[in-house]
Amino acid sequence: GENVEQHPSTLSVQEGDSAVIKCTYSDSASNYFPWYKQELGKRPQLIIDIRSNVGEKKDQRIAVTLNKTAKHFSLHITETQPEDSAVYFCAAPRGANDYKLSFGAGTTVTVRA
Amino acid sequence: NAGVTQTPKFRILKIGQSMTLQCTQDMNHNYMYWYRQDPGMGLKLIYYSVGAGITDKGEVPNGYNVSRSTTEDFPLRLELAAPSQTSVYFCATGRDSNEQFFGPGTRLTVL
Repeated sequence: GENVEQHPSTLSVQEGDSAVIKCTYSDSASNYFPWYKQELGKRPQLIIDIRSNVGEKKDQRIAVTLNKTAKHFSLHITETQPEDSAVYFCAAPRGANDYKLSFGAGTTVTVRA
Repeated sequence: NAGVTQTPKFRILKIGQSMTLQCTQDMNHNYMYWYRQDPGMGLKLIYYSVGAGITDKGEVPNGYNVSRSTTEDFPLRLELAAPSQTSVYFCATGRDSNEQFFGPGTRLTVL
């Protein structure tokens, strides 16, 4: 099955700086890579995703990049704000066309004012 | 349109008790999932369903059971609660084979 590793486990950034979280996956057939944001005591919510036919996708201050050769994908948050403080999870399917996701262990992002 | 709802929000069980965690969706999604989230950890898949009448085990199914008699409902049953089942449980649904939408969660403590 798919094995997803996520780094770092914690990240503290100054407000206005950028934050980058990286995930690696093991199954080269995986073709869908979502990122979820979970605020304290809340449910995980999808913030951005990318499919294997593109290398980068952007939505306002967040972007995701995918390197299929190296089997890693990254979340980039620019101009961080206090409301970006949360736990972020990456995920990948357990194989091509598999609807079950494997999740990374999460990154706790703290934005310092 | 409530999306995905879960009941109860919180529950404390004694060792050996049983309970059912309810999950209901009104989005007409075929795919439904149960996850558990332990403190500081990611989400582990317990059971999943691709449609009414079809269920299958995920990564950590021991101690749990599910049923899917309708598209809307996907209850999770704990028969003999153990302290190791203390966790936050999330139900999720998916319209297709990728996107998943999560319910608000049930926080369960077994003492």
